[in-house]
Amino acid sequence: DTAVSQTPKYLVTQMGNDKSIKCEQNLGHDTMYWYKQDSKKFLKIMFSYNNKELIINETVPNRFSPKSPDKAHLNLHINSLELGDSAVYFCASSHQNSPLHFGNGTRLTVT
Amino acid sequence: KQEVTQIPAALSVPEGENLVLNCSFTDSAIYNLQWFRQDPGKGLTSLLLIQSSQREQTSGRLNASLDKSSGRSTLYIAASQPGDSATYLCAGAGSYQLTFGKGTKLSVIP
Repeated sequence: DTAVSQTPKYLVTQMGNDKSIKCEQNLGHDTMYWYKQDSKKFLKIMFSYNNKELIINETVPNRFSPKSPDKAHLNLHINSLELGDSAVYFCASSHQNSPLHFGNGTRLTVT
Repeated sequence: KQEVTQIPAALSVPEGENLVLNCSFTDSAIYNLQWFRQDPGKGLTSLLLIQSSQREQTSGRLNASLDKSSGRSTLYIAASQPGDSATYLCAGAGSYQLTFGKGTKLSVIP
């Protein structure tokens, strides 16, 4: 009964490939997020969705395309992967001024 | 644009000691201030959330305070234990996003 689950946990791929990370939450939250944690462990918001609508897109290259088929899912598709995309990507969800709940992260390594 | 700073970046204390982690933020127009814990290779676990109208929150050995006028929050850990070793992050909540500090890596030495 994991609250926020994302798959895969590890993703190793070559430059130029396209990959997707999936995220699902069973908490009934109306807002979902993607965060990127770089090699220096700094967490930065990428996208924020509220009720399936894109609210925040923080200067992320358009190679990154989030998709929210419903309130419980927010997937992240990445085209033409680059070395600099290597990081840990965290999905999270929340509801109106409540604590954020994070998934366990997807460690992406681009070779 | 909100900026969150955490000092110190790393802290090492002997077991049993009380300690304080500091967090400062530039924009006082936050909805709430949240403290998280991150263990190596893991996601973030919410510890405490202080609403903008509150001054502090407590959970067990943890106490977090918020002073919006000075743009500061502290996380107080009483009687530290080796199991408290982790990275602690604070985050200020704006509209549909949290802005995180870079964290304080805490090591509690047995």
